[in-house]
Amino acid sequence: AQSVTQLGSHVSVSEGALVLLRCNYSSSVPPYLFWYVQYPNQGLQLLLKYTSAATLVKGINGFEAEFKKSETSFHLTKPSAHMSDAAEYFCAVSDPGSARQLTFGSGTQLTVLP
Amino acid sequence: DGGITQSPKYLFRKEGQNVTLSCEQNLNHDAMYWYRQDPGQGLRLIYYSQIVNDFQKGDIAEGYSVSREKKESFPLTVTSAQKNPTAFYLCASSLVRDRGLKETQYFGPGTRLLVL
Repeated sequence: AQSVTQLGSHVSVSEGALVLLRCNYSSSVPPYLFWYVQYPNQGLQLLLKYTSAATLVKGINGFEAEFKKSETSFHLTKPSAHMSDAAEYFCAVSDPGSARQLTFGSGTQLTVLP
Repeated sequence: DGGITQSPKYLFRKEGQNVTLSCEQNLNHDAMYWYRQDPGQGLRLIYYSQIVNDFQKGDIAEGYSVSREKKESFPLTVTSAQKNPTAFYLCASSLVRDRGLKETQYFGPGTRLLVL
């Protein structure tokens, strides 16, 4: 069984400050891990994914995430927040051999303050 | 442009009525999925399908039905048995590689279902 925990349902940062969104997972097999972003009333857009290659993964819009097996974490970071980063962010874990594939966290709403 | 389309964007359901949400993809993806999204609960899997004419229940299939007659299409019917249908519904699709390994899921824009 897989599960994902996103610490903090709401995170606020000032424009230009570091963004850190936390994600911890549990999985019985080597996982694939994903971060998706959702803007209001829209679908989910893939930010980045980890699929057992490099542990530091770079995504779109300046985001990156580091897979830390010892901590079962996959935290999302961006050095400098922009107003356009305000959205909801979802972490997801996958057993790539499973038909169901994705299990999602409950999401983190990011607010960027001027 | 390749992608996933969902229609309608907004859908209103009356008491006792069945409604069908459309999902179409032109990505030539094998697998398709339906999720329900409620505030603060993330996404929950309703149904998924790996190949045409085959589909499996997800975590919250009660009150929903699907069909997969064509590779491109995976419509979801919300039946009158679903007592709390108000939610945002998202369709997704992914490639399936050899040995059944799934590729990344890509999402459509969603349909918001409201009860009158």
